[in-house]
Amino acid sequence: KAGVTQTPRYLIKTRGQQVTLSCSPISGHRSVSWYQQTPGQGLQFLFEYFSETQRNKGNFPGRFSGRQFSNSRSEMNVSTLELGDSALYLCASRQKGLMDNSPLHFGNGTRLTVT
Amino acid sequence: SQQGEEDPQALSIQEGENATMNCSYKTSINNLQWYRQNSGRGLVHLILIRSNEREKHSGRLRVTLDTSKKSSSLLITASRAADTASYFCATDNNNDMRFGAGTRLTVKP
Repeated sequence: KAGVTQTPRYLIKTRGQQVTLSCSPISGHRSVSWYQQTPGQGLQFLFEYFSETQRNKGNFPGRFSGRQFSNSRSEMNVSTLELGDSALYLCASRQKGLMDNSPLHFGNGTRLTVT
Repeated sequence: SQQGEEDPQALSIQEGENATMNCSYKTSINNLQWYRQNSGRGLVHLILIRSNEREKHSGRLRVTLDTSKKSSSLLITASRAADTASYFCATDNNNDMRFGAGTRLTVKP
């Protein structure tokens, strides 16, 4: 099985712009989660989608949004970029849904740099 | 927001030695998981321990869980230079998975 695929791998944007990141989960995985990783804050949970519905949300401003399509692929969007949004954005998928005790499978991330 | 806190933040040992990392958390959990991350890459799942389990082994890894103290430890025995990475604990509470800040392990050859 192919792993979790994130595109693009690297991205450079300017303050005020918006960006869309893409994630293709492992085939058959219906849950997709997004995390922001920075040296100072560690891994911060953004949101989780399951069957096209946002199931959990972290403590991020409304500039951060996401969606999931019927094929389980997910996108996240950040509008009005700020310098502090520079980070490694990680996507992870897992097999099922509630209470299944399954691990997360991560992609290699998108490195976003905001200048 | 983060849930777990790893201790120590950084650990440097010689090849062949054992490495122990600790994780404390705040809320109830369904399970606790440990992940490894090589620099600039995604995280890789190492081991999962359910809330009703106290100890689990996988190869050179040994994980313990004490739900009364809300803490877990990861022991890597007979470490190798290739074990150099960051290690994260993650708490899973009804599919809400939160990570700690990680322990940076350096194994010197």
